[in-house]
Amino acid sequence: DAGITQSPRYKITETGRQVTLMCHQTWSHSYMFWYRQDLGHGLRLIYYSAAADITDKGEVPDGYVVSRSKTENFPLTLESATRSQTSVYFCASSDWGMTDTQYFGPGTRLTVL
Amino acid sequence: AQSVTQLGSHVSVSEGALVLLRCNYSSSVPPYLFWYVQYPNQGLQLLLKYTTGATLVKGINGFEAEFKKSETSFHLTKPSAHMSDAAEYFCAAQNSGGYQKVTFGTGTKLQVIP
Repeated sequence: DAGITQSPRYKITETGRQVTLMCHQTWSHSYMFWYRQDLGHGLRLIYYSAAADITDKGEVPDGYVVSRSKTENFPLTLESATRSQTSVYFCASSDWGMTDTQYFGPGTRLTVL
Repeated sequence: AQSVTQLGSHVSVSEGALVLLRCNYSSSVPPYLFWYVQYPNQGLQLLLKYTTGATLVKGINGFEAEFKKSETSFHLTKPSAHMSDAAEYFCAAQNSGGYQKVTFGTGTKLQVIP
């Protein structure tokens, strides 16, 4: 199906485990983004990518790793999950940049016990 | 750094009443401004955006917003609320003139009372 998808939609893990959240878009958009959404904070940018093999830190990158070997995929890895990383994670994409409309995936609700 | 303030984390209106959601930004340079809507258990979708030109911006679902430089505001309005408007609304801003990240406000949850 066309659009932007995220998997899994829900994930429960334990402190210290590695977790990878997947994001896939079918539009061939250049830009992709990872946000986390927490009560009282709105959305905060974790990492973004302007193209394949080009990534950069956002507002809250600590504890996260990203890669983008293919234009359509932008996985987010929590190398050693902590409870403070319990959140809802949204992936987004846009065609040509930050001021372009961002299209959001449905989100992944991650719980770290 | 740019900051975005949304006044009121929860707003309740009666069906058919005016919707007014407030947003103020901090930059002295007029930024690009956005309103996004998030329905329960869904991602965000763009309602409208202001980049340059006309200060009154019309979006989807009957919403509009007016950029007021003197007040550093970008309030979202809709003349008549519908039950389907119940959602969370996010204002966002990005400093123009460069490669800048978008900053989101903390969101306003709109409740529509029948």
